[in-house]
Amino acid sequence: DIQMTQSPSSVSASVGDRVTITCRASQDISGWLAWYQQKPGKAPKLLIYGASTLPGGVPSLQSGVPSRFSGSGSGTDFTLTISSLQPEDYATYYCQQANSFPLTFGGGTKVEIK
Amino acid sequence: QLLESGGGLVQPGGSLRLSCAASGFTFSSFAMSWVRQAPGKGLEWISAITGAGYGKYYAESVKGRFTVSRDNSQNTLLLHMNSLRVEDTAVYYCAPEYGSRNYYRDWGQGTLVTVSS
Repeated sequence: DIQMTQSPSSVSASVGDRVTITCRASQDISGWLAWYQQKPGKAPKLLIYGASTLPGGVPSLQSGVPSRFSGSGSGTDFTLTISSLQPEDYATYYCQQANSFPLTFGGGTKVEIK
Repeated sequence: QLLESGGGLVQPGGSLRLSCAASGFTFSSFAMSWVRQAPGKGLEWISAITGAGYGKYYAESVKGRFTVSRDNSQNTLLLHMNSLRVEDTAVYYCAPEYGSRNYYRDWGQGTLVTVSS
């Protein structure tokens, strides 16, 4: 099974800060990676798929996901960046590999208010 | 839209059947998955089934105990859960694939399964 390791497990940041979350796969998953945001009591929300694409298929267009979210990486190392943290971004973020079954999620990164 | 149902309280060793009613998309064209989340824990993918229902995949944690199926005539996804354990306690979500890959954009509201004596 492919293990997905996220870091940090939690981060405290202020509104306006740049936040970076990393996800490392235990083996090469090419670009088959997604990022999700989850708020308490809610289902996850897809932020990024294919490592760098916002839902809607065109990275430069609004897709319900603000453009302050971006993803990068390939192979085993991936990054989710929030360019300027907003109050509504306080949540837990998960990566997920879609390279092969069993699909696996990272352990999550909680973004908290500093 | 995705609407899960069938959750509830069950004793260890018991069985339960979850349903996911789908609408608003061509159900038979999409692979479907079940993802669960134990209280206060992270997300865990547990099962997927291809659009026609011939391909089925499971996490090791549920293999041999859970069975996924679908009724494309009723736009319904099912999860038959047997030999339930305390550690199966979780909110169970269904989700269709997105982007022709097992990404998940659309989710149901989830149904809570509690395994306890």
